[in-house]
Amino acid sequence: EAQVTQNPRYLITVTGKKLTVTCSQNMNHEYMSWYRQDPGLGLRQIYYSMNVEVTDKGDVPEGYKVSRKEKRNFPLILESPSPNQTSLYFCASSLRSSGRYNEQFFGPGTRLTVL
Amino acid sequence: KNEVEQSPQNLTAQEGEFITINCSYSVGISALHWLQQHPGGGIVSLFMLSSGKKKHGRLIATINIQEKHSSLHITASHPRDSAVYICAAPEETSGSRLTFGEGTQLTVNP
Repeated sequence: EAQVTQNPRYLITVTGKKLTVTCSQNMNHEYMSWYRQDPGLGLRQIYYSMNVEVTDKGDVPEGYKVSRKEKRNFPLILESPSPNQTSLYFCASSLRSSGRYNEQFFGPGTRLTVL
Repeated sequence: KNEVEQSPQNLTAQEGEFITINCSYSVGISALHWLQQHPGGGIVSLFMLSSGKKKHGRLIATINIQEKHSSLHITASHPRDSAVYICAAPEETSGSRLTFGEGTQLTVNP
């Protein structure tokens, strides 16, 4: 089944404890992206990747890192999480490197709480 | 940076009603996405359109590139249509960065 998976789905952690949220897609998509969703602010783009070893900042990259060593995986790393990173996170992928004309497939979301 | 505005923010309808959700953006684009977020949180892509109109079942999306406006219509609405509907505009140059509207919470009552 074609899908985007994220793990974990739920995570409660403490300030400063490094964590990684994994994202994997099995559709051989070139483009992958991370978003966060907050009440009143909607979805905002954190980082995106147009292909292996090619990543770029979105609108809210501060406090996050990403890597794209393999086409299928695009992990989101929080080196020192803070409470303002409490949010619902979505990973998405699309076929081509430009998201403009391509449907985006979303993962199920990861609800992160930083205490 | 593109600013994307949706209206209304909240919409309550009775089953069977015709529903319209609007999306306006500040910078010229060549395509627009419509997404649906289920009550459980999952997001699915409904439409990606660059001109004219697209139809899928009871959902119709239209776009007017010159007027920087898009609409999502739901005909014969049903309680299962209750969800948040979100429009998203890609950055014009590369298309890789998306700016999202805040979403429209739709509730359809039986």
